[in-house]
Amino acid sequence: DAMVIQNPRYQVTQFGKPVTLSCSQTLNHNVMYWYQQKSSQAPKLLFHYYDKDFNNEADTPDNFQSRRPNTSFCFLDIRSPGLGDTAMYLCATSREQLAGGGNEQFFGPGTRLTVL
Amino acid sequence: DQQVKQNSPSLSVQEGRISILNCDYTNSMFDYFLWYKKYPAEGPTFLISISSIKDKNEDGRFTVFLNKSAKHLSLHIVPSQPGDSAVYFCAASVGDDKIIFGKGTRLHILP
Repeated sequence: DAMVIQNPRYQVTQFGKPVTLSCSQTLNHNVMYWYQQKSSQAPKLLFHYYDKDFNNEADTPDNFQSRRPNTSFCFLDIRSPGLGDTAMYLCATSREQLAGGGNEQFFGPGTRLTVL
Repeated sequence: DQQVKQNSPSLSVQEGRISILNCDYTNSMFDYFLWYKKYPAEGPTFLISISSIKDKNEDGRFTVFLNKSAKHLSLHIVPSQPGDSAVYFCAASVGDDKIIFGKGTRLHILP
């Protein structure tokens, strides 16, 4: 089945210790997204790739970086996690937006990150 | 500043009855609206969408209504089933590849 896979599903790290979350997709979609979702909050877009073009949201902290080495894989690197970075991190993919239509995004199951 | 607002954190509905989930938005430039459903330990899954040029879209038990003048949309589920218990996110986009989510409404279907 075509899908979006995230690894690991759960990650515990210490304050300041770098962590990398991974996302892979078999949908061959050219757009990939990373969202942060804190408890009882809306998923918040951190950045997205349109093919290899990186698009950072204005309020995404510099602490958060991303890499997309190929169409299938995308990584979220948190260089020095703080306690406030404890959250669910969701990866999503979509085809480019259709003319006159929206873009349905397909989500992975998420990685729950806890910073101690 | 929340552009997409779901003011009810939770909603309980009797099985077989109609569930109505509401969503308000502030950006009149939004041209596409989506509803996502999320079960625990899973990512959100797309449910139904509507373009701003329409006022209603129906898919089986799910209907989304859009009232542009009120900047309001709603999702109707009828009849409600136990498997509909989940968190429902309203989302909106404006002509690009990004969508903005609301905080979600947790729907409980009671037996």
